[in-house]
Amino acid sequence: DQQVKQNSPSLSVQEGRISILNCDYTNSMFDYFLWYKKYPAEGPTFLISISSIKDKNEDGRFTVFLNKSAKHLSLHIVPSQPGDSAVYFCAAGEGGSEKLVFGKGTKLTVNP
Amino acid sequence: DAGVIQSPRHEVTEMGQEVTLRCKPISGHDYLFWYRQTMMRGLELLIYFNNNVPIDDSGMPEDRFSAKMPNASFSTLKIQPSEPRDSAVYFCASSLVRDRVNINYGYTFGSGTRLTVV
Repeated sequence: DQQVKQNSPSLSVQEGRISILNCDYTNSMFDYFLWYKKYPAEGPTFLISISSIKDKNEDGRFTVFLNKSAKHLSLHIVPSQPGDSAVYFCAAGEGGSEKLVFGKGTKLTVNP
Repeated sequence: DAGVIQSPRHEVTEMGQEVTLRCKPISGHDYLFWYRQTMMRGLELLIYFNNNVPIDDSGMPEDRFSAKMPNASFSTLKIQPSEPRDSAVYFCASSLVRDRVNINYGYTFGSGTRLTVV
């Protein structure tokens, strides 16, 4: 039973355009959410996070949106760059715990 | 800091053999996590420790898997006996306690150990 779902295994966009990666969750107890980026042969690296008390968090070209009623979050990358090509994981956690539940990832390819 | 260090980077072993994966967390981090990544199941949490004490091992798939953290700077994940279905990339991660106000929080992952059991 997957509590965090990334339904698009892959996404391809042109350099300079917007990349939108989506994530759905089923556990209403999740109250913080994170995005990780992973290059081949490396471990995932933390990208951006959001608490359930917010609906948006922005860091440079990266913005995460949270829609609690829909149990949905998304990561927007604007403008997309070839160096953004990687696998992006969505993760979620409950307030009382340090453990994170990860989605299966979406492979983003940004074409020059 | 060199980050989270895992060894070996690659391990190929025969079915039935014992395998030991190693992890050195970032100094000062309170939490250590072991994850496994497969195509079918993505990133799964196997076990995590807080101050060297196992907190949640509900993700450990079978008794063949065991993990220890004898001190704050070292952890092992052991599989005995290994089976082909254990083939995966195993990640170790460490973190400080989560900042519940700013949520500027994220694990630091190691580069992983790619295990192949033939």
